[in-house]
Amino acid sequence: GNSVTQMEGPVTLSEEAFLTINCTYTATGYPSLFWYVQYPGEGLQLLLKATKADDKGSNKGFEATYRKETTSFHLEKGSVQVSDSAVYFCARGATNKLIFGTGTLLAVQP
Amino acid sequence: KAGVTQTPRYLIKTRGQQVTLSCSPISGHRSVSWYQQTPGQGLQFLFEYFSETQRNKGNFPGRFSGRQFSNSRSEMNVSTLELGDSALYLCASSLAVDSFMETQYFGPGTRLLVL
Repeated sequence: GNSVTQMEGPVTLSEEAFLTINCTYTATGYPSLFWYVQYPGEGLQLLLKATKADDKGSNKGFEATYRKETTSFHLEKGSVQVSDSAVYFCARGATNKLIFGTGTLLAVQP
Repeated sequence: KAGVTQTPRYLIKTRGQQVTLSCSPISGHRSVSWYQQTPGQGLQFLFEYFSETQRNKGNFPGRFSGRQFSNSRSEMNVSTLELGDSALYLCASSLAVDSFMETQYFGPGTRLLVL
């Protein structure tokens, strides 16, 4: 089965609201963890990553902390903008590949 | 530095035909991976190549194949196309220093429609 589990979407928020998208993983060892974002009609863009326990990845106001004890890597942003509307994918490293969650659609309304 | 490029961006084929998609990795990246993205199955790993060798393969039928050239460019081929092969095919490249730690950088994808 899938070893990355993401919060189901869609998530609809008003501009400037706080965002959390939950992500948990199963793995042996300590793989790198990633958040990718996909805008309509485009490929995946790396948003942030963390490579070891307690690492915090951050970019463009988004943050996620590698929590070994809860096997989680939740994505947060303090104040979302309309331009953040996209699909967000959580992923973990595996042998010569990435394993992705199902993606969470975020819609931010003005 | 130029990103990952994929050609063509859009493709329409009919059932039974075959198709070849191309991917040029970021300069210096030696690993190229391919993924299929569909609304029903999400992002699924197809295969990964490093130094012209396939190192890992996902759970897809033999109609899906790929190769990598000495300049790290890669192609994937799908023979005897089926309607269910309609998808966005994404290519990603990485340095491949450590397979569990690598960041993969994605191209814009090739959208394939099979009629």
